[in-house]
Amino acid sequence: DAMVIQNPRYQVTQFGKPVTLSCSQTLNHNVMYWYQQKSSQAPKLLFHYYDKDFNNEADTPDNFQSRRPNTSFCFLDIRSPGLGDAAMYLCATSREGQSSYEQYFGPGTRLTVT
Amino acid sequence: KQEVTQIPAALSVPEGENLVLNCSFTDSAIYNLQWFRQDPGKGLTSLLLIQSSQREQTSGRLNASLDKSSGRSTLYIAASQPGDSATYLCAVKGNFNKFYFGSGTKLNVKP
Repeated sequence: DAMVIQNPRYQVTQFGKPVTLSCSQTLNHNVMYWYQQKSSQAPKLLFHYYDKDFNNEADTPDNFQSRRPNTSFCFLDIRSPGLGDAAMYLCATSREGQSSYEQYFGPGTRLTVT
Repeated sequence: KQEVTQIPAALSVPEGENLVLNCSFTDSAIYNLQWFRQDPGKGLTSLLLIQSSQREQTSGRLNASLDKSSGRSTLYIAASQPGDSATYLCAVKGNFNKFYFGSGTKLNVKP
């Protein structure tokens, strides 16, 4: 089945130790998104790629970076995680073109910062 | 900036009851509206997508409506079951491929 895959599902890192979260998709969608979601809150968009074009949200901290080496993969790098970065990180995809398409989400990566 | 609000934040109903979840948005210039379900500690599962030109969509016991001019959508769940217990989120798609989410309604269906 076509899907969005996130690895790892659970990640524990130490304060200040860089961490990378991974997302891959078999849907061949041209847009990929990274969201941060804290408990009982709405998902917060960090950035998205439209093909290779990177679009950063104005309020996304510089501590968060992203890479998209090809259509299928997208990575979220947190350079120096703080305690406030502990959250669920959600990857999503959609296909954009003439019509408007829905978003598909992966299962998420739960990040714990110790 | 688009603001999406979901009321109530939490809802508890007995099994078998029909219920309505509400979603409102401030900017009517949307491309579509999507309803999601989220189980604790999990990702989001798409339930229904309504394009801006549509008024409603149905899937099984679920029916979603959209009134773009008034900035409102409802998700109707018929004959609720304990397995429907989850958080339900709505999201609207605006310009530049951006989606705006509400904070969700946490539903508990009691056996």
